[in-house]
Amino acid sequence: DSGVTQTPKHLITATGQRVTLRCSPRSGDLSVYWYQQSLDQGLQFLIQYYNGEERAKGNILERFSAQQFPDLHSELNLSSLELGDSALYFCASSRGQGSPYEQYFGPGTRLTVT
Amino acid sequence: AQKITQTQPGMFVQEKEAVTLDCTYDTSDPSYGLFWYKQPSSGEMIFLIYQGSYDQQNATEGRYSLNFQKARKSANLVISASQLGDSAMYFCAMREAGSGSARQLTFGSGTQLTVLP
Repeated sequence: DSGVTQTPKHLITATGQRVTLRCSPRSGDLSVYWYQQSLDQGLQFLIQYYNGEERAKGNILERFSAQQFPDLHSELNLSSLELGDSALYFCASSRGQGSPYEQYFGPGTRLTVT
Repeated sequence: AQKITQTQPGMFVQEKEAVTLDCTYDTSDPSYGLFWYKQPSSGEMIFLIYQGSYDQQNATEGRYSLNFQKARKSANLVISASQLGDSAMYFCAMREAGSGSARQLTFGSGTQLTVLP
């Protein structure tokens, strides 16, 4: 158990809908990262927050957004869902931002868009 | 260009034998970190080992060791005394210090390791 929690574990929804994925980092971790894992794209970084502020953006679609709250939990919002958004979404956390702070991953949320 | 290359889509190893999973990387940043993660069929990503670019010695964590060859830009994972529970997908990842505040990991495509009884 990494100490990072993600809810829900599974999510099945229809195209065009909007969903929210939730992540609670390990106790004391200030950085939260979101990653998407799909069969065709592999593991891709989406976005990072550090202590409530957005710090980096990767291959995140405009239909997706995220935020980190004062209690450091984070939410990833996916809207106007398409079939291609079906993937495993991971949240990871780390103590700080740079090395050697390894990132600990949550169990992931498996999103299926039908 | 691929920043992280894992050339072995699948590997087989006999139980109790050692196995090396290859990883090469590409960066012009002098400061970077290299990571290995394990992803069992259940899906979670498990951190295994870390090597910093300025570390003088190869990292070791129990049965895992990282064979770091900086000049060749390779960071191979060595698993000694393989166990059936080691069967999983293994990902090599890199984080560059770089400019700006990006601290995300860039992952390779993974190697599926199967340990045979």
